[in-house]
Amino acid sequence: EAGVAQSPRYKIIEKRQSVAFWCNPISGHATLYWYQQILGQGPKLLIQFQNNGVVDDSQLPKDRFSAERLKGVDSTLKIQPAKLEDSAVYLCASSLDSGVGQYFGPGTRLTVL
Amino acid sequence: SQQGEEDPQALSIQEGENATMNCSYKTSINNLQWYRQNSGRGLVHLILIRSNEREKHSGRLRVTLDTSKKSSSLLITASRAADTASYFCATHSAGGSYIPTFGRGTSLIVHP
Repeated sequence: EAGVAQSPRYKIIEKRQSVAFWCNPISGHATLYWYQQILGQGPKLLIQFQNNGVVDDSQLPKDRFSAERLKGVDSTLKIQPAKLEDSAVYLCASSLDSGVGQYFGPGTRLTVL
Repeated sequence: SQQGEEDPQALSIQEGENATMNCSYKTSINNLQWYRQNSGRGLVHLILIRSNEREKHSGRLRVTLDTSKKSSSLLITASRAADTASYFCATHSAGGSYIPTFGRGTSLIVHP
């Protein structure tokens, strides 16, 4: 069974630029999560989708971050414009349903200069 | 603030010893999950314990849950150098949607 795929693995941009991350969850998984993990901290949930609907986005900085999950499968997370404090690893995870164990992708390491 | 908080923040032991890390949370939960994260990699799901369970085992892992104290512990027996990683607990709060919340993690180093 293929795992959660994310791209790119690494991205370096300058502040005020835009960046987009892509996630392909495990086939059949209804729930998809985007997390931000700052060095030395635990993952912080940014947005949770159930199929193509948003379950929770209370911690998503909506003035600069946006996410979508078209057709309830792949998802993209965008930052526009980026700030220095957005430097982190962005993790995508999926699960069969909400409330059960999640499968994580390898993450995208973003550096904002 | 984060729901789950792991303790200790860092743990250093010798191979063969047992490692115990704890997680405390604040509100009622439906379940609690433990994850491992090796340096620079994604998280791996280890075990899920439901609110009506008190103990679960998986290989060398033993998880306990005390809902009266709002705490859980993860015990790794006969540790190996390969167990070196960060360990996180994640809680799903009771009622409403299952929104996962992670703690800051325990960094475990197992010396060969």
